Amino acid sequence: DVKVTQSSRYLVKRTGEKVFLECVQDMDHENMFWYRQDPGLGLRLIYFSYDVKMKEKGDIPEGYSVSREKKERFSLILESASTNQTSMYLCASNGGPGGGELFFGEGSRLTVL
Amino acid sequence: QKEVEQDPGPLSVPEGAIVSLNCTYSNSAFQYFMWYRQYSRKGPELLMYTYSSGNKEDGRFTAQVDKSSKYISLFIRDSQPSDSATYLCAMRKNSGGYQKVTFGIGTKLQVIP
Repeated sequence: DVKVTQSSRYLVKRTGEKVFLECVQDMDHENMFWYRQDPGLGLRLIYFSYDVKMKEKGDIPEGYSVSREKKERFSLILESASTNQTSMYLCASNGGPGGGELFFGEGSRLTVL
Repeated sequence: QKEVEQDPGPLSVPEGAIVSLNCTYSNSAFQYFMWYRQYSRKGPELLMYTYSSGNKEDGRFTAQVDKSSKYISLFIRDSQPSDSATYLCAMRKNSGGYQKVTFGIGTKLQVIP
């Protein structure tokens, strides 16, 4: 059974803290993605990676960075969390340049106070 | 104007009803069309995946694409309370290399027993 695992389901952080969100997939997929999901705005792409150590900006990369040191792991980093980064963060993966089906994790609900 | 427009609802129907969910899009380059289902506090999961115009059926679900009108639909027959979820349309282009998936904001559906 295919799986994308996000390490933290719920986090509460304070403004200015550094936040790490980790995602692991067990499908040997080349492509991995970080989205945020907000009411009325839907899913918005933050960053994606199509290979180890490669990264590409999505639609809303400001305030975020990513790391992909191993094929199966893709981390999202908030260097200095702000209240407007309170959101649901979803990791996804798929295989090959055409992409195909996106497999999502269960999400990480981040609250920044 | 957003590339993909989707009514957020909520849509409330009695059990057994036929449900129609719709999205419009503005970019004629979109070639692949998808519907994802997202249960509360879970990540989205792929429900239907179609390429080009026409209908595709899978059990109680039918996906319809009308490229001339830039309009896609998902029909659910004999709706069940377990169909209560948010339904996201998604689409991508097909012009080589990695292609980003663009999502609608999702329609929240509630099926009343």
